[in-house]
Amino acid sequence: GQNIDQPTEMTATEGAIVQINCTYQTSGFNGLFWYQQHAGEAPTFLSYNVLDGLEEKGRFSSFLSRSKGYSYLLLKELQMKDSASYLCAVRDLGSASKIIFGSGTRLSIRP
Amino acid sequence: KAGVTQTPRYLIKTRGQQVTLSCSPISGHRSVSWYQQTPGQGLQFLFEYFSETQRNKGNFPGRFSGRQFSNSRSEMNVSTLELGDSALYLCASTRRDIGTGELFFGEGSRLTVL
Repeated sequence: GQNIDQPTEMTATEGAIVQINCTYQTSGFNGLFWYQQHAGEAPTFLSYNVLDGLEEKGRFSSFLSRSKGYSYLLLKELQMKDSASYLCAVRDLGSASKIIFGSGTRLSIRP
Repeated sequence: KAGVTQTPRYLIKTRGQQVTLSCSPISGHRSVSWYQQTPGQGLQFLFEYFSETQRNKGNFPGRFSGRQFSNSRSEMNVSTLELGDSALYLCASTRRDIGTGELFFGEGSRLTVL
């Protein structure tokens, strides 16, 4: 089976940095995704990690450690528009088209 | 390039009825996945279709079914609706032969069961 854990809610201050953690336990692993979902909208793709290490894309970075079953999403220079839910998702190895999502972390940015 | 289109966007049904939701993927995407999103459970995988074949299925009862047509458009059906089926149903398409194979989501169909 698969289990993906991430904090339910986080709060951060505009201009600061926040790290959202995700741990996973899966029977097979073929990549980890982070998605952003604003209230009332569809999830949108942020990042993808399949090898260990850090992937940087502008203000957002994502890290993966396969041996620890751990990933984090790092958001820098926070803006009010970053208030959203952040979803960690894992692609199954045995069935690469099956992507399983965590429950999401609701991030609130305060001025 | 048009995104993933889902219809209807909103619908209200009563217990015991059935519902059919439609999804048109991005042009060129042959894989379509369906997810149920509720506040308590998050995004739950329903099933995935590729070339008109169901390749994966989540842990949902047989009341939930789907199909895919030759043009990659997909439909999902829920029969004998229950109150707990009230949710946002999201469709996502992907083209796994290029890029990371990430999912592109539609806006969803919000189903309310009374």
